[in-house]
Amino acid sequence: GENVEQHPSTLSVQEGDSAVIKCTYSDSASNYFPWYKQELGKRPQLIIDIRSNVGEKKDQRIAVTLNKTAKHFSLHITETQPEDSAVYFCAAAGGSYIPTFGRGTSLIVHP
Amino acid sequence: DTAVSQTPKYLVTQMGNDKSIKCEQNLGHDTMYWYKQDSKKFLKIMFSYNNKELIINETVPNRFSPKSPDKAHLNLHINSLELGDSAVYFCASSPSGQGGYGYTFGSGTRLTVV
Repeated sequence: GENVEQHPSTLSVQEGDSAVIKCTYSDSASNYFPWYKQELGKRPQLIIDIRSNVGEKKDQRIAVTLNKTAKHFSLHITETQPEDSAVYFCAAAGGSYIPTFGRGTSLIVHP
Repeated sequence: DTAVSQTPKYLVTQMGNDKSIKCEQNLGHDTMYWYKQDSKKFLKIMFSYNNKELIINETVPNRFSPKSPDKAHLNLHINSLELGDSAVYFCASSPSGQGGYGYTFGSGTRLTVV
């Protein structure tokens, strides 16, 4: 089955800095890679996703890159703000389309 | 209108009791899921239903039994609750079909077994 590794487990940055969260996956059949943000006490929410026929996707301050050869994908947040503080999950989905989640990254943005 | 709604939001119960969590989605999605999130925030899939048919049943004790009366509802019944069942349970839904789609999660049910 699919195995998704996510790093780092905790990331602390100053407001205005960039943050990068990295994930690797094992199943070369995986072709859909969503990212979720979970604020404290709230539900995970889809913030951006990328499919295997695309190398990069941007949405305002967030971007995701995918390297299919190396089987890794990353979330980039620029100009971080305190409201970006949350747990971020990557996931990979393949033939079954049931995503396998990474273990999460707790992002802390200090004002 | 809430897209995926779960009830109750909080559930505190004693060991050995039986309890149910309800989930409803009004998005017209074909597929619904139950996830368990432990204290370390790990999201682990428990069950997946597509058009009322069970398609995923991960290694979950048979004390947990999902029921889908129609494709808009997926309830979770838990028998003989144990301390280790304490967690946040999330219902989710997604469209089905080729390519994979993002989930819409419910607000979660925090289950505490005492």
